[in-house]
Amino acid sequence: EVMLVESGGGLVKPGGSLKLSCAASGFTFSSYAMSWVRQTPEKRLEWVATISSGGSYTYYPDSVKGRFTISRDNAKNTLYLQMSSLRSEDTAMYYCARLESYWGQGTTLTVSS
Amino acid sequence: QIVLTQSPAIMSASLGERVTMTCTASSSVSSSYLHWYQQKPGSSPKLWIYSTSNLASGVPARFSGSGSGTSYSLTISSMEAEDAATYYCHQYHRSRTFGGGTKLEIK
Repeated sequence: EVMLVESGGGLVKPGGSLKLSCAASGFTFSSYAMSWVRQTPEKRLEWVATISSGGSYTYYPDSVKGRFTISRDNAKNTLYLQMSSLRSEDTAMYYCARLESYWGQGTTLTVSS
Repeated sequence: QIVLTQSPAIMSASLGERVTMTCTASSSVSSSYLHWYQQKPGSSPKLWIYSTSNLASGVPARFSGSGSGTSYSLTISSMEAEDAATYYCHQYHRSRTFGGGTKLEIK
C-alpha cells in the first residue's frame, strides 16, 4: 500500500523558515517524481514544487520560486520542502504527492505574528 | 499559466438526479493532461477521473468525464449520498494548475 506521511508543519512568524518532510513507503520511491501541493484555508489547491525521480530537476511556480526548495533522499525514501521568507499567504495544508494518484494526509503551516 | 474555472462553485442535487459540472480552461489543454479529484472534509484529494474520461480505481460507473480543448465536464448519472463532496479539475498541460472546485451537496 502506498503511504505518504508528512511532518514538520507548525506556526512560524513572517519571514521565518521551516522544513517539511514526507516519508514514503509502499512503492519504489526512487522511480517516481514527487511533488508538494498546498491547500489554502479557502480550500484552493496550489501546486508548490516537483522534483524528478533522481533529484536532478526541480520545478516551481513563480509564487514560491527562490523561497522554497524541494529535495529528496532516495536512500531514506523521504521528500523535503525547505521554505524560507515565509508570508501569511503561505498558510496552508501542505500535501506530499505522487501526482496524480497518491496524496498524503497533509501537514499544516500557519504563518502569523 | 492556464487558469481553470469551475462552475458552479456550489450546487445541490437530489438523490437520483443527474449532475453535471464544468471546468473551463483559459487556453487549450490536452485531454490527456486533464484530471478530476474528489475531496471530502478532513481528507486529502483523491484522483477520481484521469485523462478526461478514465475512471480511477474504485470509482463508480455512474461517474463520467468528457471534453476537449478548453471545455471539460464531470457528470454523475444518478446522484447518490456518497457523492456529496468537492470536485477539483487539474491540468498539467503547461505547468500545473487546479480549478477552484465545485462543492456538491445533497438537496
